[in-house]
Amino acid sequence: DGGITQSPKYLFRKEGQNVTLSCEQNLNHDAMYWYRQDPGQGLRLIYYSQIVNDFQKGDIAEGYSVSREKKESFPLTVTSAQKNPTAFYLCASSIGEKAFFGQGTRLTVV
Amino acid sequence: GNSVTQMEGPVTLSEEAFLTINCTYTATGYPSLFWYVQYPGEGLQLLLKATKADDKGSNKGFEATYRKETTSFHLEKGSVQVSDSAVYFCALIRAGAGSYQLTFGKGTKLSVIP
Repeated sequence: DGGITQSPKYLFRKEGQNVTLSCEQNLNHDAMYWYRQDPGQGLRLIYYSQIVNDFQKGDIAEGYSVSREKKESFPLTVTSAQKNPTAFYLCASSIGEKAFFGQGTRLTVV
Repeated sequence: GNSVTQMEGPVTLSEEAFLTINCTYTATGYPSLFWYVQYPGEGLQLLLKATKADDKGSNKGFEATYRKETTSFHLEKGSVQVSDSAVYFCALIRAGAGSYQLTFGKGTKLSVIP
């Protein structure tokens, strides 16, 4: 089945630790995106990548980093500099205007 | 810049009631407009879309019409079911520099009770 896989679904980390969220797609899409979802805030764009080895900051990139070494993969690292990392994180890929979303990772920092 | 404002919830309806979720947008040019649905604990799924003025998107009994004169894209369904309980997001595409970035509203949570 073609789609986007995010793992893990739930992630717990101690404050001050970096953590990496996985996002893999087998749709052969060039563009990939990371969004953060908070209650009552909707989805906000963290980073996006239009092509391998290239990525751009979104609206709330501070405290996050990404890489795009392969077309299929777009991992997101939540660093210790992110002040409020507890949230639901969604990865997406797109072809033209059609976007496909993963199932999300809920990160809780304790 | 581009923005989307949608009706804040939560919205609670009885089964078979009529649903309207309001959405208005601010954008340069002529954006494409979307409604996405998120079921509990899941990612987003495209519900419907419209790409130009007066287009009507429809799917699963839901409809929305792209109204350029009022910059609106309200979601409607004539008779909701319990299975429609979810969070609904209005969104627009801001195309630029070869990428298609979605701008989302804050979401409206719908609960349908039997």
